[in-house]
Amino acid sequence: EAGVAQSPRYKIIEKRQSVAFWCNPISGHATLYWYQQILGQGPKLLIQFQNNGVVDDSQLPKDRFSAERLKGVDSTLKIQPAKLEDSAVYLCASSLGTSGAPYFGPGTRLLVL
Amino acid sequence: GESVGLHLPTLSVQEGDNSIINCAYSNSASDYFIWYKQESGKGPQFIIDIRSNMDKRQGQRVTVLLNKTVKHLSLQIAATQPGDSAVYFCAEKSMDSSYKLIFGSGTRLLVRP
Repeated sequence: EAGVAQSPRYKIIEKRQSVAFWCNPISGHATLYWYQQILGQGPKLLIQFQNNGVVDDSQLPKDRFSAERLKGVDSTLKIQPAKLEDSAVYLCASSLGTSGAPYFGPGTRLLVL
Repeated sequence: GESVGLHLPTLSVQEGDNSIINCAYSNSASDYFIWYKQESGKGPQFIIDIRSNMDKRQGQRVTVLLNKTVKHLSLQIAATQPGDSAVYFCAEKSMDSSYKLIFGSGTRLLVRP
């Protein structure tokens, strides 16, 4: 069974630029999560989808971050404009349902200069 | 590669010894708990989970213990190997928070040869 796929794996941008990350969850997984992990810390949930609906986005900085999962499968996370403090690893995870164990992708490492 | 656990508490054990990693969780309503292992440059990897109607669950070389009275979770690794060196996170889910997966702060395990 293929795992969660993410791209790109690495991205370097300058502050105020825009960036987008893509995630393809495990086949059949209805729940998709985006996490932000700052170096030395545990992952922090940004947004959780159930199919193509948002379950929770309470910690998503909505003035600059957006995410969508239009067809209930792939998802994109966008930052516009980026700030220095957005430098982190962005992790995507998926689970069969909301009460199941999420499985994580390898992450996208973002550096904002 | 980058280090996930720059400022995390560290547990150092001799190869072949047993390791015990502890975690205090915050939400008394949490009913599902997961342990993840994260190696440098990778996403968190599922190790073992336990639901709140159990107090112990065993896997291959790993055991998770749950004490709901004091809101404490532990991960025991038998015959620790160099490949077990990583950062370990506990995570919790509860129905009253839309089953958001909330991570603890993590512990870095170093295995001495």
